[in-house]
Amino acid sequence: GAGVSQTPSNKVTEKGKYVELRCDPISGHTALYWYRQSLGQGPEFLIYFQGTGAADDSGLPNDRFFAVRPEGSVSTLKIQRTERGDSAVYLCASSPGGRIGEKLFFGSGTQLSVL
Amino acid sequence: KQEVTQIPAALSVPEGENLVLNCSFTDSAIYNLQWFRQDPGKGLTSLLLIQSSQREQTSGRLNASLDKSSGRSTLYIAASQPGDSATYLCAVRRNNNDMRFGAGTRLTVKP
Repeated sequence: GAGVSQTPSNKVTEKGKYVELRCDPISGHTALYWYRQSLGQGPEFLIYFQGTGAADDSGLPNDRFFAVRPEGSVSTLKIQRTERGDSAVYLCASSPGGRIGEKLFFGSGTQLSVL
Repeated sequence: KQEVTQIPAALSVPEGENLVLNCSFTDSAIYNLQWFRQDPGKGLTSLLLIQSSQREQTSGRLNASLDKSSGRSTLYIAASQPGDSATYLCAVRRNNNDMRFGAGTRLTVKP
């Protein structure tokens, strides 16, 4: 696609529910990143994929968070037993090859609200 | 741990003014620094990317400088326009996975 696409753009859920957030990176980009942005803050790193594998998941806050990228393109961020503190904008980014000098291209994010 | 600070947190200027946004970081061992623009409810748009070996980058009315040894970067916007109103974020990168963002400067350009 022309850009990084994230769906849904908004998600409202109740505490304790399970949610899935989807990211469709730019076609051909091998590197994919998930970030979380709380109100008034900069994005914080969650997980980085190179191809199908999670090269670094050290930013995931706890074991309720999990992400997959089974075919090396679309990625899904999964949150179990959601808590109110999970409310934030979840941003996805991709880059062509995951090289350090590359720019990251961000999607518009998914606004998650946990009531 | 890398800390990235942006000053000021918010800035309001009249149209036509030149302005400078500041970004500082605590660990100078970076590969590059990137400035982004974020509009409300939107993702991040990359404006300028400065590699650690570079001193500055320019794109149109934007100029970004990098002084790695002092841990500072500035984003200069010339002849500001109302359409420049947005939040500007800087981010420093140490490796593929470690990209640290500042909290941003919220810019308002008044017509």
